[in-house]
Amino acid sequence: DTAVSQTPKYLVTQMGNDKSIKCEQNLGHDTMYWYKQDSKKFLKIMFSYNNKELIINETVPNRFSPKSPDKAHLNLHINSLELGDSAVYFCASSQTAASYEQYFGPGTRLTVT
Amino acid sequence: GQQLNQSPQSMFIQEGEDVSMNCTSSSIFNTWLWYKQEPGEGPVLLIALYKAGELTSNGRLTAQFGITRKDSFLNISASIPSDVGIYFCAGQLSGTYKYIFGTGTRLKVLA
Repeated sequence: DTAVSQTPKYLVTQMGNDKSIKCEQNLGHDTMYWYKQDSKKFLKIMFSYNNKELIINETVPNRFSPKSPDKAHLNLHINSLELGDSAVYFCASSQTAASYEQYFGPGTRLTVT
Repeated sequence: GQQLNQSPQSMFIQEGEDVSMNCTSSSIFNTWLWYKQEPGEGPVLLIALYKAGELTSNGRLTAQFGITRKDSFLNISASIPSDVGIYFCAGQLSGTYKYIFGTGTRLKVLA
């Protein structure tokens, strides 16, 4: 019955590889988000999609490409991984783009070696 | 990128004590949120504030939206060991859907 789920929970990979993280929400929400939390726990928004349309696109390297096949799913693909990409990536969803309450997934800890 | 200044960075307190933390910014926010994050999990919303001056409680938690719309505080009364975690404020920038998160306050409660 998990509201927002992410896979994988942990991802260890080498520099230069390409990897994807998947997110699914079963809340019927219209809006989904990707956040990055660094080692100092700073939480920063990367992208947001509303009904499969990109509405927030922060200053993120273009190696990061979100994809929303439908409004229940938002995946994050990362090309040519770098050491600095190591972080915890959180997916979140909200009823609408204007809704204040965001429900966060459990996070994906990405380690690039 | 933008960040909210949150203080204190960390707190070690005795069980039963009250806790206060705050967030300040040079920007104006439409909404203030307070989240709690426990190890290995995503943040969970505790309190939402919509209007300048608003004071809202959720059990032992009380939060206020600053009159200038540039700050907010969170109080926890009579802390218990399960209050341990990282508390984040988040503000919705005026005219956007974007939330900016604070730098977090790490709370440890000693039994």
